[in-house]
Amino acid sequence: DIQMTQSPSSLSASVGDRVTITCRASQGISNYLAWFQQKPGKAPKSLIYAASVLQSGVPSKFSGSGSGTDFTLTISSLQPEDFATYYCQQYHTYPITFGQGTRLEIK
Amino acid sequence: QVQLVQSGADVKKPGASVKVSCKASGYTFTTYAMHWVRQAPGQRLEWMGWINTGNGNTKFSQKFQGRVTITRDTSASTAYMELSSLRSEDTAVYYCAREGHAFDIWGLGTMVTVSS
Repeated sequence: DIQMTQSPSSLSASVGDRVTITCRASQGISNYLAWFQQKPGKAPKSLIYAASVLQSGVPSKFSGSGSGTDFTLTISSLQPEDFATYYCQQYHTYPITFGQGTRLEIK
Repeated sequence: QVQLVQSGADVKKPGASVKVSCKASGYTFTTYAMHWVRQAPGQRLEWMGWINTGNGNTKFSQKFQGRVTITRDTSASTAYMELSSLRSEDTAVYYCAREGHAFDIWGLGTMVTVSS
């Protein structure tokens, strides 16, 4: 199975900050990488697919980049509603696998 | 609007089976595959399998092979996930997710508790 490793596992930031989360795949996955946001007790919400393409309706403050094994999610100008857990997912090879999550907390 | 409505929470005893439903609306059901993902308390998301809603073909994670069945009823625009031989470690929220651009639409989740 392809292992997905996110860093950091948790992150404290302030409103207005810009943050970057990294996701590394244990083998190359081209750009078959998605990012999700999940708030406590809620279903995941799709943010980005194909490593850098925003889902419809997702604000441009979210951006993704990378290819192969290394990927990043950047969130600019953090607002209170952005504090959540973020997951990466590879869909290059079955079984589809997710990262362990990055918990973004308010400082 | 496009949405996936899942069945309600369930409590099962070890060894029993559970069947979770996922009713789609707002789009043509057979156009998009449906995946099932679960999340145990405090754990990461875990992919279980998927169904081609058009022809019914399925593929499962090796971890659940032999214990999971995914079916669909096209007349009801509903997908189903059945997990058998339940154990305490299967206590989790189970989600269905549409495969649009990646997993673009998710159900709200169904909490399944396995307890004696």
